[in-house]
Amino acid sequence: EAGVAQSPRYKIIEKRQSVAFWCNPISGHATLYWYQQILGQGPKLLIQFQNNGVVDDSQLPKDRFSAERLKGVDSTLKIQPAKLEDSAVYLCASSFRAGGPTDTQYFGPGTRLTVL
Amino acid sequence: AQSVTQPDIHITVSEGASLELRCNYSYGATPYLFWYVQSPGQGLQLLLKYFSGDTLVQGIKGFEAEFKRSQSSFNLRKPSVHWSDAAEYFCAVGITGGGNKLTFGTGTQLKVEL
Repeated sequence: EAGVAQSPRYKIIEKRQSVAFWCNPISGHATLYWYQQILGQGPKLLIQFQNNGVVDDSQLPKDRFSAERLKGVDSTLKIQPAKLEDSAVYLCASSFRAGGPTDTQYFGPGTRLTVL
Repeated sequence: AQSVTQPDIHITVSEGASLELRCNYSYGATPYLFWYVQSPGQGLQLLLKYFSGDTLVQGIKGFEAEFKRSQSSFNLRKPSVHWSDAAEYFCAVGITGGGNKLTFGTGTQLKVEL
């Protein structure tokens, strides 16, 4: 079974530029998550989708971050414009159901973003 | 709000030695607890999880963890560490009614000396 795929794996941009990350979850997984992992910290949930609807985006900086999950499968996360503090690893995860914490999350390899 | 504390930022052990990584949580009810491992350039992999029942849970790669409600702890253990266990380890908590949102600790970086 293929895991969660993410691209690109690395991205370097200048501040104020825009950037987009792509995630393809495990086939059949209803729920998709985007996490931000800043160096030295644990992952922080940015947004959670159930199929193509948003379940939780309370920690997404909506003035510069946006995410969509068209057709309930792939998802893109965009930052526009980027700031220095956005330098982090962006992790995508998926889970089979949309239920509670008993539903195991499977993580992709992440995209490492460096903002100069 | 729930929180997770991993008091050790770095731990170094010799190969073959035993390992214990500490995790303390803060939550008013019974939490759902997880340990994940992250190798360089890789995503997080679930080692084990605790939802209810037996407080000693077994995971993959020979790891186990014990839930102690009185100490609000969920420490990860392994009797004999292998060089391939060198990685970063994250403890996380999920809560009832919180969807599937996980709150992670800051991680413990494990180094294994040969």
